[in-house]
Amino acid sequence: GAVVSQHPSWVICKSGTSVKIECRSLDFQATTMFWYRQFPKQSLMLMATSNEGSKATYEQGVEKDKFLINHASLTLSTLTVTSAHPEDSSFYICSARGGGQSSSYNEQFFGPGTRLTVL
Amino acid sequence: SQQGEEDPQALSIQEGENATMNCSYKTSINNLQWYRQNSGRGLVHLILIRSNEREKHSGRLRVTLDTSKKSSSLLITASRAADTASYFCATDRTGTASKLTFGTGTRLQVTL
Repeated sequence: GAVVSQHPSWVICKSGTSVKIECRSLDFQATTMFWYRQFPKQSLMLMATSNEGSKATYEQGVEKDKFLINHASLTLSTLTVTSAHPEDSSFYICSARGGGQSSSYNEQFFGPGTRLTVL
Repeated sequence: SQQGEEDPQALSIQEGENATMNCSYKTSINNLQWYRQNSGRGLVHLILIRSNEREKHSGRLRVTLDTSKKSSSLLITASRAADTASYFCATDRTGTASKLTFGTGTRLQVTL
């Protein structure tokens, strides 16, 4: 299957700083990438959808000025958590989906996740 | 918002037994997918079943879909300790540009 990487895999930062998380599709072009957050022992909650070259679409209740998403190329999307606070501590997971009408068109390939801890 | 609810929330079985997890959802869908997540790791896609399909198999996995009841089940046969993980259903809802909405998940523990 297709491979999606995330960097860093974990990060600890001080309150008030900004953190950037990268999501890369390694062997396919991702026209759409999704960002999720997951609290311990809970499900994944979709934060935003990003399409290459256009602005991200945020889910209701997600602050777009706090969670900046950039999808500058077909293989890279970044999520920047600005002015992070302890309540932003979570597991952030990206997924990528290629274009076209293949049988795997609807399949999303998930990255391994990034654990953010804000002190 | 959460589309699906899964039950049970947690399931503990012995190796060799079968494990059944259920997922219910609320709106019409294009397809339903099942994912596995080991603790603190990313998701692994297990199987996708389209809205016009009723049953699908993949190795030791069997998935059913009942669109009239808006429910799906995942059966893992002859479980192994390595199957220990959380399992999530995710729906691709009609008219949402293929965004996935995840269920609450079932934590499966398989003991020796």
